[in-house]
Amino acid sequence: GESVGLHLPTLSVQEGDNSIINCAYSNSASDYFIWYKQESGKGPQFIIDIRSNMDKRQGQRVTVLLNKTVKHLSLQIAATQPGDSAVYFCAENRQHAGGTSYGKLTFGQGTILTVHP
Amino acid sequence: DSGVTQTPKHLITATGQRVTLRCSPRSGDLSVYWYQQSLDQGLQFLIHYYNGEERAKGNILERFSAQQFPDLHSELNLSSLELGDSALYFCASSGQQLGGEKLFFGSGTQLSVL
Repeated sequence: GESVGLHLPTLSVQEGDNSIINCAYSNSASDYFIWYKQESGKGPQFIIDIRSNMDKRQGQRVTVLLNKTVKHLSLQIAATQPGDSAVYFCAENRQHAGGTSYGKLTFGQGTILTVHP
Repeated sequence: DSGVTQTPKHLITATGQRVTLRCSPRSGDLSVYWYQQSLDQGLQFLIHYYNGEERAKGNILERFSAQQFPDLHSELNLSSLELGDSALYFCASSGQQLGGEKLFFGSGTQLSVL
């Protein structure tokens, strides 16, 4: 069925390196994508979002790229720090038939990012 | 701190029992969402309330119900609990009614059904 999935379940990097976390989505009707970070014992924390009319969006040390042609989303973290170690989820928001989606996010399975000092 | 408060943080109960999870959204947020997180299913949308009215339902069992009160806090009621209901239950809030906005999640309630 339709889903949002991640290619890599785990990613290990050295402190200071750049990290890239990938996500594939299957529903071309999705028009809003979000990356969340979840640390142990905490709820998902918003990182960055992007709408389908954009290809790229930058935040502080993070960049999200959207490739609608291949239905691919990526999160780039620059100069990764130990504090970035967490599970990263991509999520998509799908339009209902009436054009509304009510924040019904569909989450991917998550990627565990481990940053080694 | 997201500003979303969930209580209790941990809940241990037995099969067949009923529990109530509580959520206070961020100040001013009218929308409350409930999500379930388990190892095998990941994060699954359960239900969305906006200003006291149910707006959308996801994979929510009939044994589960929710409501949002006039003061905008919400409760998720889980009844006839089964072992498989053990999971993390998150509440999230946002200021808008429609989708396309970022959600702020609470720290969750860890439910263990023994």
